Amino acid sequence: GAGVSQTPSNKVTEKGKYVELRCDPISGHTALYWYRQSLGQGPEFLIYFQGTGAADDSGLPNDRFFAVRPEGSVSTLKIQRTERGDSAVYLCASSSDFTSYNEQFFGPGTRLTVL
Amino acid sequence: GQQVMQIPQYQHVQEGEDFTTYCNSSTTLSNIQWYKQRPGGHPVFLIQLVKSGEVKKQKRLTFQFGEAKKNSSLHITATQTTDVGTYFCAGQSNTDKLIFGTGTRLQVFP
Repeated sequence: GAGVSQTPSNKVTEKGKYVELRCDPISGHTALYWYRQSLGQGPEFLIYFQGTGAADDSGLPNDRFFAVRPEGSVSTLKIQRTERGDSAVYLCASSSDFTSYNEQFFGPGTRLTVL
Repeated sequence: GQQVMQIPQYQHVQEGEDFTTYCNSSTTLSNIQWYKQRPGGHPVFLIQLVKSGEVKKQKRLTFQFGEAKKNSSLHITATQTTDVGTYFCAGQSNTDKLIFGTGTRLQVFP
């Protein structure tokens, strides 16, 4: 079956611009996660959704970052007034439920470059 | 906040040699997961450990969860070039978020 998909695969933008990154989780997965991965680092937790609600957004670095999942399926990560330090690979993952003991299935990521 | 560290950061071995990466959490975990990320790829789930002292094997890979549920290890016997990649542990405390370790990058020379 289809895995987690993310679009675009690459995004180049200028400092100060607004970007949206999209994640399409595995069908039926209720839990969705966003991570940010810089070169040579492990994925850094940003936010997770259980259904439509953000169950934990403690990883969002500041109020320029916002994510939504209005219908409990597709999610969009939104970054306002981008900065060069936002450049990273943004990974999305989904799992069948947010409880402990569930593997996360990762998408291929969106590589964001802020010039 | 919770931190998860891994050592070594980087290791290269000759094909056929063994490899071990160690993972340490600053807090007690409810479970620990291991992921593998190939160069240019995304993390792929390998296994989850839940019980104190648990040991699980997958072919040449052996995973262990410490008695205190604060550390874990991954051992690969007789490495192959297909084992190349970065291995991440990821710890979870109850229903809290998954915190990934710093990763160990494995390079295998033929």
